[in-house]
Amino acid sequence: DTGVSQDPRHKITKRGQNVTFRCDPISEHNRLYWYRQTLGQGPEFLTYFQNEAQLEKSRLLSDRFSAERPKGSFSTLEIQRTEQGDSAMYLCASSPRDGNEQYFGPGTRLTVT
Amino acid sequence: AQSVAQPEDQVNVAEGNPLTVKCTYSVSGNPYLFWYVQYPNRGLQFLLKYITGDNLVKGSYGFEAEFNKSQTSFHLKKPSALVSDSALYFCAVHRADTGRRALTFGSGTRLQVQP
Repeated sequence: DTGVSQDPRHKITKRGQNVTFRCDPISEHNRLYWYRQTLGQGPEFLTYFQNEAQLEKSRLLSDRFSAERPKGSFSTLEIQRTEQGDSAMYLCASSPRDGNEQYFGPGTRLTVT
Repeated sequence: AQSVAQPEDQVNVAEGNPLTVKCTYSVSGNPYLFWYVQYPNRGLQFLLKYITGDNLVKGSYGFEAEFNKSQTSFHLKKPSALVSDSALYFCAVHRADTGRRALTFGSGTRLQVQP
């Protein structure tokens, strides 16, 4: 049973550029989540999918952020016109249909210069 | 609104001694409570959860946690600490009786176990 995978693990970009991250959940997990974690803080919820439907969005998810899960499997998180304040670790998690715990991937560390 | 407080930034304990990492929560309705551990350069690992039933829940690596509804607490415990338990620990909550699944995390407690 492979865990949640995320790609890339690290991304350095210049302010104003667009970036896209990918998350592959544990197979057969129908729920997928995105969180953001900054240094010294706990993860903050961004958005949640059940299958391909985006069911929850945090107010942290500004209009520069968009997430998709087109076929109910992998998901992408895009940030447009990146700002230095977007520098953080972006975490993806998944959970099974009959469970409540979320299993996290290793994260994508974004640095905006 | 839901929130989690982890009042200690760091907990120091000697190897072999019992450890407690504190967590209190605030949520409307019944809570689902979780503990996660984060090792350097690794993702969050699920340790244990309280959903319903017995107030004492057991999890991975010998950890357990006690749910106390009157004190709105969910403290993490282990009878005998190991040096390898040194890591960052997060408590998290979400409300039980809605379809919402977003976890709210505390700010984390760094556990340092000295040999």
